[in-house]
Amino acid sequence: AQSVTQLDSHVSVSEGTPVLLRCNYSSSYSPSLFWYVQHPNKGLQLLLKYTSAATLVKGINGFEAEFKKSETSFHLTKPSAHMSDAAEYFCVVYPSGNTGKLIFGQGTTLQVKP
Amino acid sequence: DGGITQSPKYLFRKEGQNVTLSCEQNLNHDAMYWYRQDPGQGLRLIYYSQIVNDFQKGDIAEGYSVSREKKESFPLTVTSAQKNPTAFYLCASSTSGNTIYFGEGSWLTVV
Repeated sequence: AQSVTQLDSHVSVSEGTPVLLRCNYSSSYSPSLFWYVQHPNKGLQLLLKYTSAATLVKGINGFEAEFKKSETSFHLTKPSAHMSDAAEYFCVVYPSGNTGKLIFGQGTTLQVKP
Repeated sequence: DGGITQSPKYLFRKEGQNVTLSCEQNLNHDAMYWYRQDPGQGLRLIYYSQIVNDFQKGDIAEGYSVSREKKESFPLTVTSAQKNPTAFYLCASSTSGNTIYFGEGSWLTVV
């Protein structure tokens, strides 16, 4: 069975310090992987996606993620946190084989302190 | 602009009443999805559709119904059988292996 695990339900950083949000996946095949951000009472906005091209993926707002097949991980990073980064972040797997069913992690709440 | 439009943004339902949430996309995507999000929790799949006139139950389909008569439209009906419908509902669409787009969401509250 395919699954996604976000290892931290809550991450707190100070403004200007690095951000690391961790995501592990389980998939029998090569999946497409995504990170989304959700601000309060809003829909989900795509940050970046991995679709078997380069393993280091750059996204919007300075975020990037590295696909590591040996570790089955797709961690999200940003060198310097900004107050506006405070939000909920979701790691999502789109399984290969066109099952049509997205698999969501439980989400990580990022708090950014001044 | 291309995207997904959900309406209404806020909806109130009385006990025993059916309500319908609208989802329209002009991205020419084949697949569409409905998710439910409860405060402080992740997303749970209600229904999804990969092609017109076909749809499948997700993880929490009881008390909900959908239709997919047109490629661009995937309305969700919350029936009176859904005993705890108060939540944030998100519609999404995608093409296989490609980007998944989400609407802005609809808040449903039981009064």
